Amino acid sequence: GNSVTQMEGPVTLSEEAFLTINCTYTATGYPSLFWYVQYPGEGLQLLLKATKADDKGSNKGFEATYRKETTSFHLEKGSVQVSDSAVYFCALTMDTGRRALTFGSGTRLQVQP
Amino acid sequence: GAVVSQHPSRVICKSGTSVKIECRSLDFQATTMFWYRQFPKQSLMLMATSNEGSKATYEQGVEKDKFLINHASLTLSTLTVTSAHPEDSSFYICSLAPGEGQETQYFGPGTRLLVL
Repeated sequence: GNSVTQMEGPVTLSEEAFLTINCTYTATGYPSLFWYVQYPGEGLQLLLKATKADDKGSNKGFEATYRKETTSFHLEKGSVQVSDSAVYFCALTMDTGRRALTFGSGTRLQVQP
Repeated sequence: GAVVSQHPSRVICKSGTSVKIECRSLDFQATTMFWYRQFPKQSLMLMATSNEGSKATYEQGVEKDKFLINHASLTLSTLTVTSAHPEDSSFYICSLAPGEGQETQYFGPGTRLLVL
């Protein structure tokens, strides 16, 4: 079956540090890949996505590149802010029509001033 | 983006009772609704999908008679955990999707259920 594996947290960084959250996937075909973010007390929000190999999703300074050869979709940001503190979920879907998502376990990011 | 609310945000109940969780879309009509559950330090797992005007489709291993889903309207979905037991304690999250052909889902903030 399909699965998503992401690094365990929490990840604790100082403000303006570089962020990488690793995500790898297992899928039988060619999935669409997503990063969702959950701020405290709020629902998951779509952060960025990529639908085919070598696509780069980007939003709010975050980037992730769909790497088919390494089955990865690592999330990066060059300079994190305290407001980026949240839980980040990597996810995939094999069926854009049905839109059911397979999630990773989530990585909590804590950014200290 | 769209706003989705869940009620209650947290519920504690005794074993054997039933608990209803509501998921509402506040500003758009949702043709598809999803229910997920998340155990501590684990992934969100899809429980069921419901489309307007049809019964919910449950994922393998999810008991449809235990987790009753009612897509009551285009803005409301309810999940009822019947005869809850301590192993049902979890974090339940709904998401709503607008019309066909769109990948984006909008998630509620989740409901934490604790069954004593």
